[in-house]
Amino acid sequence: NAGVTQTPKFQVLKTGQSMTLQCAQDMNHEYMSWYRQDPGMGLRLIHYSVGAGITDQGEVPNGYNVSRSTTEDFPLRLLSAAPSQTSVYFCASSYSPGSGANVLTFGAGSRLTVL
Amino acid sequence: GQNIDQPTEMTATEGAIVQINCTYQTSGFNGLFWYQQHAGEAPTFLSYNVLDGLEEKGRFSSFLSRSKGYSYLLLKELQMKDSASYLCAVMDSNYQLIWGAGTKLIIKP
Repeated sequence: NAGVTQTPKFQVLKTGQSMTLQCAQDMNHEYMSWYRQDPGMGLRLIHYSVGAGITDQGEVPNGYNVSRSTTEDFPLRLLSAAPSQTSVYFCASSYSPGSGANVLTFGAGSRLTVL
Repeated sequence: GQNIDQPTEMTATEGAIVQINCTYQTSGFNGLFWYQQHAGEAPTFLSYNVLDGLEEKGRFSSFLSRSKGYSYLLLKELQMKDSASYLCAVMDSNYQLIWGAGTKLIIKP
């Protein structure tokens, strides 16, 4: 049971380049989400999905796109990378998006540097 | 606005007890979570409180007072492996998680 798998673990981009962070889970979780973590700040929600074919914006969606064509996969696309997108990105999933006991399982994280 | 406050950093001694506080102001409340995050790793779930009172889980306990907008995480018999950041998160009325910036706990021998 792999849990939540994120790739790549590290990536360096130049300003203006695009890339996709991959996220896959094998727990049949309905809810999937992407967060960014920056020093001195709490985790900030970028986009989330409550099921295949359904996505929604979080707190900081600008500059990012997502899609959810299957239950298992939830890729995050950076359209035109900017230095402000330098961060650690976490994918997280859970069984039930509307439950108070919504325990998240996180991927190992992807450290992105934009030069 | 919504806000979660917790101390930035705390230091404690191996074998001792430490209490990490979290205060919150959110639009509604559907539970409070504590996660542990070791440096360079992903957060992992520690505890969930939705009713007032103390929840005990081995060396770790979590307390909630909804009327005061306050929670704490109590770690007993500290071990070096407890050196980590501890993240407080509140689920608001829309079932969205609001995260604190985390408390970095340093354990000294």
